[in-house]
Amino acid sequence: DAGVIQSPRHEVTEMGQEVTLRCKPISGHDYLFWYRQTMMRGLELLIYFNNNVPIDDSGMPEDRFSAKMPNASFSTLKIQPSEPRDSAVYFCASSAGGRGVNQPQHFGDGTRLSIL
Amino acid sequence: AQKITQTQPGMFVQEKEAVTLDCTYDTSDPSYGLFWYKQPSSGEMIFLIYQGSYDQQNATEGRYSLNFQKARKSANLVISASQLGDSAMYFCAMRGYNNNDMRFGAGTRLTVKP
Repeated sequence: DAGVIQSPRHEVTEMGQEVTLRCKPISGHDYLFWYRQTMMRGLELLIYFNNNVPIDDSGMPEDRFSAKMPNASFSTLKIQPSEPRDSAVYFCASSAGGRGVNQPQHFGDGTRLSIL
Repeated sequence: AQKITQTQPGMFVQEKEAVTLDCTYDTSDPSYGLFWYKQPSSGEMIFLIYQGSYDQQNATEGRYSLNFQKARKSANLVISASQLGDSAMYFCAMRGYNNNDMRFGAGTRLTVKP
């Protein structure tokens, strides 16, 4: 069974450009999470969805960040305009089980984003 | 609000010995789950072990076991017979019934010495 698939694996772009990160969760999972990982701030939850609906976006840094989940098998995280401080590894994760607390999150391999 | 604390930024252990990585948590949720993840230098996040708040026994998964002390709100990871491949970052995380997202600690970097 395929795991969480993220694309691209690496992205290098110039400041001011729009960046779109993509995620395909594991089939049947009803939760999808976006995280950002940096050395300084560790692993930060940005936003999560349940059944394609955004539940908590309090971790989204600012209006330059937006996330969508148009259907159960696809989500995007967009940064527009990008800034050098957005450089990080962005992870997507999904989990199953409704409100089950025993469901682990399964992570994609991450997108390593560098903004020059 | 949920909070996870890992107080050991780095740990060293000799190969073949056991090591304990500390994790304490705080939550108002009546039911919650505790998780440990491993992140090797290649960057992927690997799920290791789970402990439910109402589980009577400590979770075990191969060389991994979880020392769960509910009254102390601690969920320490024990790795027995350490191997060189265990060198990685280890994250403790919690998921609550009411706060259904997953919150992670800052992580502990484990180095296994030959």
